[in-house]
Amino acid sequence: EDQVTQSPEALRLQEGESSSLNCSYTVSGLRGLFWYRQDPGKGPEFLFTLYSAGEEKEKERLKATLTKKESFLHITAPKPEDSATYLCAVQAGASGAGSYQLTFGKGTKLSVIP
Amino acid sequence: GAVVSQHPSWVICKSGTSVKIECRSLDFQATTMFWYRQFPKQSLMLMATSNEGSKATYEQGVEKDKFLINHASLTLSTLTVTSAHPEDSSFYICSAHMDRDYEQYFGPGTRLTVT
Repeated sequence: EDQVTQSPEALRLQEGESSSLNCSYTVSGLRGLFWYRQDPGKGPEFLFTLYSAGEEKEKERLKATLTKKESFLHITAPKPEDSATYLCAVQAGASGAGSYQLTFGKGTKLSVIP
Repeated sequence: GAVVSQHPSWVICKSGTSVKIECRSLDFQATTMFWYRQFPKQSLMLMATSNEGSKATYEQGVEKDKFLINHASLTLSTLTVTSAHPEDSSFYICSAHMDRDYEQYFGPGTRLTVT
């Protein structure tokens, strides 16, 4: 069974204080690891997809990295508008086969204080 | 690109009635759509997977006769909650997948409250 564990559950940062969120996963045949941002009362907003260990992707103040066991979402000099819940999800299965289902972690709620 | 809409954004209904939620992919054709449920302070739980023109595949523990899913076209899927009860109150979110990549694009969600 695919499992995704995110830590910490909640994180409070001062504006400008960089940090990292962790996503540990256990999956048979990782097809992709996804990061989403979710604001209260809204659907998840796609951020990144990582496909193989060693891959990195960046978008503004966010940088996602992937190893064979975990992924990190690094937030550099965060601003209050970065406050949200960040969700990690994995998709398993060999390329071209099976469904495209995602298994989600419980998320990390990030609060950035001005 | 890759915009998914849901309608309505919120709905209040009485116990015993049925409610239909629509999910549309606005600028792409979605071969597969997914329906999730999210309770307060919980993560997304997959309810079912639907492919255009075929029956939906439900996750274990999800009653297929209660949560009716129709994926009639490549841009529209509907979820009907039949004989709704207060415990069905939740945030329902759909997502859509296109063939060219692995990402799922999510709708804004529908808040259902059953009184």
